[in-house]
Amino acid sequence: GAGVSQSPSNKVTEKGKDVELRCDPISGHTALYWYRQSLGQGLEFLIYFQGNSAPDKSGLPSDRFSAERTGGSVSTLTIQRTQQEDSAVYLCASSLDSGSGKTQYFGPGTRLLVL
Amino acid sequence: GNSVTQMEGPVTLSEEAFLTINCTYTATGYPSLFWYVQYPGEGLQLLLKATKADDKGSNKGFEATYRKETTSFHLEKGSVQVSDSAVYFCARWTGNQFYFGTGTSLTVIP
Repeated sequence: GAGVSQSPSNKVTEKGKDVELRCDPISGHTALYWYRQSLGQGLEFLIYFQGNSAPDKSGLPSDRFSAERTGGSVSTLTIQRTQQEDSAVYLCASSLDSGSGKTQYFGPGTRLLVL
Repeated sequence: GNSVTQMEGPVTLSEEAFLTINCTYTATGYPSLFWYVQYPGEGLQLLLKATKADDKGSNKGFEATYRKETTSFHLEKGSVQVSDSAVYFCARWTGNQFYFGTGTSLTVIP
C-alpha cells in the first residue's frame, strides 16, 4: 500500500507569488495534518482535518495560509503572496482517526524556497 | 502552556555507546507521548510511543518510559549502531494536536 505522498517535492518561487502544495493521504485515513519544519526548528502544527468536520486552523501563521481537503482525501495547502520567511519544509501526515495515541504517517515533505 | 523540550544536539557517539536523549513536556491532562525518527533523506516515522503513565515504549532496541512524576519521556538505547544516525523528535499528543520538540541530531561513528 502506498504511503502519504506530497507534491511537488521541491518548489522555488519568487516573493509575492502564490504556491499550492498537495498531499495525498493513505487511503482510508480520515485525519490529515499539515506541519511546517523550518531550519533548526521543530515541527510547527498548521492545520488539521478530521473527516467532514470543520478543520482546526489554529496553527495557521497568517491569513495568507489556507488549506482545503476535497472529498475527504486529497488536501491542498495554499500560501498566497509568499514571503521569504515561508521557506521551509511542509509536511503532511495522515492517521486513521484523531483519537489519542493514533499513529501519524508522514509524507516526504515539500521543500519550499522563496527567493 | 503546552510544550515539548528535548535535549539539544548534535550528539556524536561511538558505535556501541549508550544513548540517552532527554525529553520533558508540559501539558494539562494526560498526553500520549511519542518518539519519531527521521533518517537521512527519509520522512518522519514513528519509533515508539506510550499512552499512559508508567508505560514503556520500545522498538529497534530503543526504549522510553512515560514518567508522569517527572513529566519526562527520555529515549535510551544500550548500544547504538551507525545505522541509528538520524534526527530524533519527541512529541506529545493532546486533544487534536501533536506538539513536537526541535529534534536532536545523532551521529554514530564506527
